[in-house]
Amino acid sequence: GEEVAQTPKHLVRGEGQKAKLYCAPIKGHSYVFWYQQVLKNEFKFLISFQNENVFDETGMPKERFSAKCLPNSPCSLEIQATKLEDSAVYFCASSQLRGRSTDTQYFGPGTRLTVL
Amino acid sequence: GDSVTQMEGPVTLSEEAFLTINCTYTATGYPSLFWYVQYPGEGLQLLLKATKADDKGSNKGFEATYRKETTSFHLEKGSVQVSDSAVYFCALGGSGNTPLVFGKGTRLSVIA
Repeated sequence: GEEVAQTPKHLVRGEGQKAKLYCAPIKGHSYVFWYQQVLKNEFKFLISFQNENVFDETGMPKERFSAKCLPNSPCSLEIQATKLEDSAVYFCASSQLRGRSTDTQYFGPGTRLTVL
Repeated sequence: GDSVTQMEGPVTLSEEAFLTINCTYTATGYPSLFWYVQYPGEGLQLLLKATKADDKGSNKGFEATYRKETTSFHLEKGSVQVSDSAVYFCALGGSGNTPLVFGKGTRLSVIA
């Protein structure tokens, strides 16, 4: 598609439950990024993919967070055993492969996760 | 590491006022610079970008010039409208599809 799609729009989980978020990048884009936007608008990078391969996972809390981008499927971000501090808006972005220069990242509408 | 500093606001202006939101950066190499806008309840939209020194990005009456000598990328608009009320984020991107580094955002409220 022409836009990054994210589902669901809102997700409510009790502490300790699992949460799974989905992202469909723009067709033809090779890179997918996940960011977490917490209170006070701060963005934290989580992980990126080049096609189905992990490209950069330096921001990923590895104990409870995992992510995948499989061929012909939406990318997913999964949080096992959610904690209150995981409450945030999770944004997915995609970009094209353009050699060495930074290409624009296009963002989806986000998934608001509320952990009660 | 790379970082972006922008004025935190909130900024409140009357309609048709002049807008400046300051943004400075620290980076190695030659990053690309971006302004994104987040309207209430929505995701991030690219507003404008510049990929090299002295480039000027512009869109919807907003503009920003990539100033390497002052490491700045200030956002300006000559006459704001109520519909410009949003949170504005300055961001930089390194080479090779590295993650964006965002400033903390500046909330703009425009009153009629």
